[in-house]
Amino acid sequence: GQNIDQPTEMTATEGAIVQINCTYQTSGFNGLFWYQQHAGEAPTFLSYNVLDGLEEKGRFSSFLSRSKGYSYLLLKELQMKDSASYLCAVANTGGFKTIFGAGTRLFVKA
Amino acid sequence: GAGVSQSPSNKVTEKGKDVELRCDPISGHTALYWYRQSLGQGLEFLIYFQGNSAPDKSGLPSDRFSAERTGGSVSTLTIQRTQQEDSAVYLCASSLIGGLAGVGGNEQFFGPGTRLTVL
Repeated sequence: GQNIDQPTEMTATEGAIVQINCTYQTSGFNGLFWYQQHAGEAPTFLSYNVLDGLEEKGRFSSFLSRSKGYSYLLLKELQMKDSASYLCAVANTGGFKTIFGAGTRLFVKA
Repeated sequence: GAGVSQSPSNKVTEKGKDVELRCDPISGHTALYWYRQSLGQGLEFLIYFQGNSAPDKSGLPSDRFSAERTGGSVSTLTIQRTQQEDSAVYLCASSLIGGLAGVGGNEQFFGPGTRLTVL
C-alpha cells in the first residue's frame, strides 16, 4: 500500500526552530515535495528533494533519506505567518501520481 | 494567465445532479492534476494529464467521475449523479513538466479550488 505519515499538529514559539517529520511507503519514488497551506487557501510549493541530503532555501530546509523513507522540513526563526498546514507529498515512479500526507498543522505562538 | 484559475469558486447542487468543474492552468504548463480535499483532510489524487492524455486515472473514486483536457490547456472534471459524499474542495494544479525526477519545473502550482456542496 501507499502511506505517508506526519504528525497531526505541532506548536512552537515565535523565533524558535521547528522540525516536521514525514515518513513514507509508496510504490516507487520520484521525489518528495513539501507544500504550505494556509487555512482556506490552496497549497503553495516549498521544496523538492529527490536525492539524499539537505536542501536549504532561506528559513526553510528540507531533508531526505530514501533508504529510511524519511524526510523532514525545518523552519527557522519562526514567524506568526508560518502558522499553517505543511503537506508532505511523494511522487511515484514516473512522477505522475503525487500522494499527499494529511498534513501537519503548525501553530506559532507569541 | 498569471496563475491557475478554477470556476466556479463555489457550487451548491442537489443530490443526483451533474456538475462540471473547470480548470485553466498556467499558460505553457504541460501537466495538469486534479485533487479532492475534504474538510481537515489531506489532498486525494484524482487524475493527472500530460498534454491531453491521462496516463493515470486510478484515483477517480467511481465511474461517476470523469475528466478531459482539450488543446493541452483547459480541463473539466465532471461528476455525474452527485452524492453527498462528493462534497469537498476540488483543487486543480499544473506544472511546467511532469514525471521527470531531479529536473526543475515539476513543482505544482495550485488553483484556488472549487468548493462543492451536495445537498
